[in-house]
Amino acid sequence: DIQMTQSPSLLSASVGDRVTITCRASQAISHYLAWFQQKPGRAPKSLIYAASRLQSGVPSKFSGSGSGTDFTLTISSLQPEDFGTYYCQQYVSYPLTFGGGTRVEI
Amino acid sequence: EFQLVESGGGLVQPGGSLRLSCAASGFIFSNYEMNWVRQAPGKGLEWVSYISSGSSTKDYADSVKGRFTISRDNAKNMVYLQMNSLRAEDTAVYFCATSVLNWFGELSRWGQGTLITVSS
Repeated sequence: DIQMTQSPSLLSASVGDRVTITCRASQAISHYLAWFQQKPGRAPKSLIYAASRLQSGVPSKFSGSGSGTDFTLTISSLQPEDFGTYYCQQYVSYPLTFGGGTRVEI
Repeated sequence: EFQLVESGGGLVQPGGSLRLSCAASGFIFSNYEMNWVRQAPGKGLEWVSYISSGSSTKDYADSVKGRFTISRDNAKNMVYLQMNSLRAEDTAVYFCATSVLNWFGELSRWGQGTLITVSS
């Protein structure tokens, strides 16, 4: 199985900050990487697929980059509504696997 | 618009069984792969099971293999998860999910989830 490792597990930042979350795969996954945002009591919301493509309706302050084993999610200017937990997920092969999550505190 | 609605959750005793349902609407269900993903209280996301559009291929996480069975009814736009021999560690919110892009393994649309509690 492909292991996905996220860092940091907790990120405290201020409104307006540029924040970056990293995700590392235990083996190369090309660009088959997605990012999700989840708020308490809600289903995950897909932000980015194919490592860098924004889902429809997702604001452009979110961006993704990377290929192979190392990936990043960047929020260009953190806003109060961006609090929550962020997960990466590989979909190059089953079993699908997720990172452990990064909790973003404002 | 893609919509997924899970049902069937509840409290069940260890060793018991439960069947979850996921009703799909707003897209041609028979063309899409479906997945179940779960999240234990306060924990991260764990993929559980997959079924291809025509039910020819099914896959399971090792943690549920031999106990859970995924199925679908394309005429009713439904996907199911039959859960047997339930354990306390199966306690979680269960989500059904699919790809609006119809891409293998991409999970861009999720239901709201249904909570399963396994406890005596």
